[in-house]
Amino acid sequence: GAGVSQSPSNKVTEKGKDVELRCDPISGHTALYWYRQRLGQGLEFLIYFQGNSAPDKSGLPSDRFSAERTGESVSTLTIQRTQQEDSAVYLCASSGLSGIRSAQPQHFGDGTRLSIL
Amino acid sequence: AQKVTQAQTEISVVEKEDVTLDCVYETRDTTYYLFWYKQPPSGELVFLIRRNSFDEQNEISGRYSWNFQKSTSSFNFTITASQVVDSAVYFCALIGSSGDKLTFGTGTRLAVRP
Repeated sequence: GAGVSQSPSNKVTEKGKDVELRCDPISGHTALYWYRQRLGQGLEFLIYFQGNSAPDKSGLPSDRFSAERTGESVSTLTIQRTQQEDSAVYLCASSGLSGIRSAQPQHFGDGTRLSIL
Repeated sequence: AQKVTQAQTEISVVEKEDVTLDCVYETRDTTYYLFWYKQPPSGELVFLIRRNSFDEQNEISGRYSWNFQKSTSSFNFTITASQVVDSAVYFCALIGSSGDKLTFGTGTRLAVRP
């Protein structure tokens, strides 16, 4: 497809379970970002991948959160031992060449709505 | 540290009214970019505009216009002759000299009533 694709669109799981969220960026986009949006809130940065560089994990809220990306393709965000406060929409975005000289717009997927019971 | 403040949590207007959404930012960087995104009820974030810190010219795109003033660290967004389809949450965001992650404001929910 032409846009950023995320799956699943909705996920309901029990507290304590692990979940894996997937993001397919726009083809050719080197930068990929994960954000979290709690109900009625703004977006919180989680993690950023740029090409083969080490990811910027500065926004991950705890060691229960991790993310991987293979090359410039799909990324997965994993949350282990989920807690109720993890309930949120998780948004993925991708952009062309990053860096302040370009600051290409980030294009967002529709998000995964995660609900922890 | 960077910060984006959208003091207006919710705004309600009647169709055809003009409305301005405020955005104030803080950054120590001399080079930065400012963005506006729209999030309609369907949830997807739609990019509206990007403006770099060296370009203070106001921009107009149809019914949308943006007023960037470095002196007051503001990047306000005006919708002229609002329409029901403009109803959404609007986010202002900033990228600093690191050039990567966006710092978002908390958003302004705009409701346009017929």
